[in-house]
Amino acid sequence: RKEVEQDPGPFNVPEGATVAFNCTYSNSASQSFFWYRQDCRKEPKLLMSVYSSGNEDGRFTAQLNRASQYISLLIRDSKLSDSATYLCVVKPLIYNFNKFYFGSGTKLNVKP
Amino acid sequence: EAQVTQNPRYLITVTGKKLTVTCSQNMNHEYMSWYRQDPGLGLRQIYYSMNVEVTDKGDVPEGYKVSRKEKRNFPLILESPSPNQTSLYFCASGWTGGPDTQYFGPGTRLTVL
Repeated sequence: RKEVEQDPGPFNVPEGATVAFNCTYSNSASQSFFWYRQDCRKEPKLLMSVYSSGNEDGRFTAQLNRASQYISLLIRDSKLSDSATYLCVVKPLIYNFNKFYFGSGTKLNVKP
Repeated sequence: EAQVTQNPRYLITVTGKKLTVTCSQNMNHEYMSWYRQDPGLGLRQIYYSMNVEVTDKGDVPEGYKVSRKEKRNFPLILESPSPNQTSLYFCASGWTGGPDTQYFGPGTRLTVL
């Protein structure tokens, strides 16, 4: 079983739409969670960390559900520039700065 | 400008010809790591380093070597490349005592014929 699983998509949405992605993780001891954005085989870039209380950054909201072992990313008012692949990343142990598990990504296409 | 650089960006080589992909960061990060990215598999960690002279295997270390003689550099060595090592490679760095953010290099697209 993969450590992190994501729906590969693609999610095709019109501009202005709200879209949500989920990501499930297998290790219940996981402590740190992140969403990265990757444009067309370029380097991944941190979009946001995911805290237990959830967090919001402009149009982006991330939530963590430990009981069901998933994290989510909500994008409101989608822009064409949001088109990218979104990678879910999980780190098993907070003091062990070596292991990061990446999902294979969810592709988002925002269309005019 | 704070950045992670990789060279070369693109490389086509033949089976068995030793090669090195360089990675350098100018942010004084202790942590550095190498990943490979293949379709449908996501990024998989090859090796990582917690500091100078401290390296350890990730999930897919077979066929690769690394060294960390200086804090800023973390080269990836393929002693005898094979076609199954054709992939997109990313180097990343970060702090060990702070946020878990990783900063990625631009990637190296390697083709082994």
